[in-house]
Amino acid sequence: DIQMTQSPSSLSASVGDRIIITCRASQGISNALAWYQQKPGKAPKLLLYSASTLDSGVPSRFSGSGSGTDYTLTISSLEPEDLATYYCQQYYSTPRTFGLGTKVEIK
Amino acid sequence: QVQLQESGPGLLKPSETLSLTCTVSGGSVSSGSYYWSWIRQPPGKGLEWIGYIYYSGSTNYNPSLKSRVTISLDTSKNQFSLKLSSVTAADTAVYYCARDSGPFDPWGQGTLVTVSS
Repeated sequence: DIQMTQSPSSLSASVGDRIIITCRASQGISNALAWYQQKPGKAPKLLLYSASTLDSGVPSRFSGSGSGTDYTLTISSLEPEDLATYYCQQYYSTPRTFGLGTKVEIK
Repeated sequence: QVQLQESGPGLLKPSETLSLTCTVSGGSVSSGSYYWSWIRQPPGKGLEWIGYIYYSGSTNYNPSLKSRVTISLDTSKNQFSLKLSSVTAADTAVYYCARDSGPFDPWGQGTLVTVSS
């Protein structure tokens, strides 16, 4: 199985801050990486796929980058509605696997 | 747009079999463009992929659950289903169904299944 290591596990930031979440795969995954946002009590929502492609309707303050084993999710200017837990997921091979999540809190 | 909805019992006793159904609307499970997956999330924890089924009926299961999992397809009802046998408290989780093209999108709203004696 490909292990996905996400960091940090949690962070607290102010509205307007730029935040970066990282995800490292235990082997190369050729950009087969998705990012999800999960708000409390809700199902996860797809934000990006293919490491850097924004899903339809997702605000442009979200962006993704990376290659090989190392990937990042950036929120360029944090908004109050971005309070959520963010997960990365690889789909390079099965079993599909997720990172443990990054909980984003607003100061 | 495509919508998915999980249904099934919310409370089970240890050793019973979990049975859930996902009803798809706005799209067809017979589409050859997608897999149809089940994912679960224990309370307060992360996400675990359980497995998927393709329109042909072929399946792929997470090795961690493979011995207890069966996913099936009912094209006449536009549904797919999950069975997980011999459940324990460790199987208590919110169970989601999702359309799978690698990334999961969209997801159902999820259904909480509690295993307790």
